[in-house]
Amino acid sequence: DAGVTQSPTHLIKTRGQHVTLRCSPISGHKSVSWYQQVLGQGPQFIFQYYEKEERGRGNFPDRFSARQFPNYSSELNVNALLLGDSALYLCASSPDRATEAFFGQGTRLTVV
Amino acid sequence: AQTVTQSQPEMSVQEAETVTLSCTYDTSESDYYLFWYKQPPSRQMILVIRQEAYKQQNATENRFSVNFQKAAKSFSLKISDSQLGDAAMYFCAPLNYGGATNKLIFGTGTLLAVQP
Repeated sequence: DAGVTQSPTHLIKTRGQHVTLRCSPISGHKSVSWYQQVLGQGPQFIFQYYEKEERGRGNFPDRFSARQFPNYSSELNVNALLLGDSALYLCASSPDRATEAFFGQGTRLTVV
Repeated sequence: AQTVTQSQPEMSVQEAETVTLSCTYDTSESDYYLFWYKQPPSRQMILVIRQEAYKQQNATENRFSVNFQKAAKSFSLKISDSQLGDAAMYFCAPLNYGGATNKLIFGTGTLLAVQP
């Protein structure tokens, strides 16, 4: 079985640009969460989606948005990129809202 | 708000020896899980072990075991017979499941080096 897949693996963007990150959960998993991991720190929660509805949002500005599609895949969008948005973005899927999360390999975003 | 403290930024262990990584957390929730994840240089977060807070018995997964002290809000990870492949960043992360949002709260991590 395929694990959680994220695309792209690496991305370089310029300040002010927009970026879309994509995530495909493990087959059968209905919950997708997004985390931001800045270098040297633990991941920070951004969003949780379950059955295509937003179930939680972390302390991130409105420039961050996400959605989940009928096939349970998800997109994370970030507008007006700042240098501080440079980080590893991790997607995790779970069969349910409150069970262990399985992570993808992440997307390394660099904003220059 | 939940907080997680991993007081050991770095640890080192000899191959085949045992090492214990510490973690304390603060939560007002009564129902939650606790996880240890490892993150090797490949950067993928890998689940190591899981503990349900309502269970008194400590979880064990092959060479990995935990010492869960609910009253003290302590959740340490013991790695026995350490192997070179155990070298990674280790994160402790509670997950509450009673509320509308179920998110992992990660500590700052402990970087484990395994010496041959």
